[in-house]
Amino acid sequence: DGGITQSPKYLFRKEGQNVTLSCEQNLNHDAMYWYRQDPGQGLRLIYYSQIVNDFQKGDIAEGYSVSREKKESFPLTVTSAQKNPTAFYLCASSREVDYEQFFGPGTRLTVL
Amino acid sequence: DAKTTQPNSMESNEEEPVHLPCNHSTISGTDYIHWYRQLPSQGPEYVIHGLTSNVNNRMASLAIAEDRKSSTLILHRATLRDAAVYYCILRSFSGGYNKLIFGAGTRLAVHP
Repeated sequence: DGGITQSPKYLFRKEGQNVTLSCEQNLNHDAMYWYRQDPGQGLRLIYYSQIVNDFQKGDIAEGYSVSREKKESFPLTVTSAQKNPTAFYLCASSREVDYEQFFGPGTRLTVL
Repeated sequence: DAKTTQPNSMESNEEEPVHLPCNHSTISGTDYIHWYRQLPSQGPEYVIHGLTSNVNNRMASLAIAEDRKSSTLILHRATLRDAAVYYCILRSFSGGYNKLIFGAGTRLAVHP
């Protein structure tokens, strides 16, 4: 079955540590996205990538970094510079010219 | 970016129709109206989208006002599995990608 996988589902880290969240898709989609969701709020865009080896900052990119070395993969690193990293992180993908975004199940990150 | 306004919460009984309203008075001529829904601790799921005409699919119907300043998502027979947060989103093509701006959405409760 085609879809988007994110791992792990729950992640705990100590303050000051960098952590990388995984996102893989087998939908053959060119575009991929990372969102952050805080309790009771909507999603906010962190980074997006339209094609391999290219990515752009979203609305809240500070303290985050990404890479897009393969079409299927778009990992997100939450760095120690992110002041409030505890949140629910969602990855999505879409076809280049299509409109519907498909979301993964999310990773809940807690920084202790 | 054009914004949407939705009620914070709504309630419905099982097997009854549900009408979820959305106001988007600053919508531009090229903005598509999208609806996504999110179940607890899961990623959002695409429901339906439209530009000017009313739309129907297996999940729901979308009624768009003639002036496009408001729209209504219609669930014809609510089930307990329809309990979720519903997001009304304007999709604008900005900076080379289809940008979705999520608000807080409407939390729909469905009673047996």
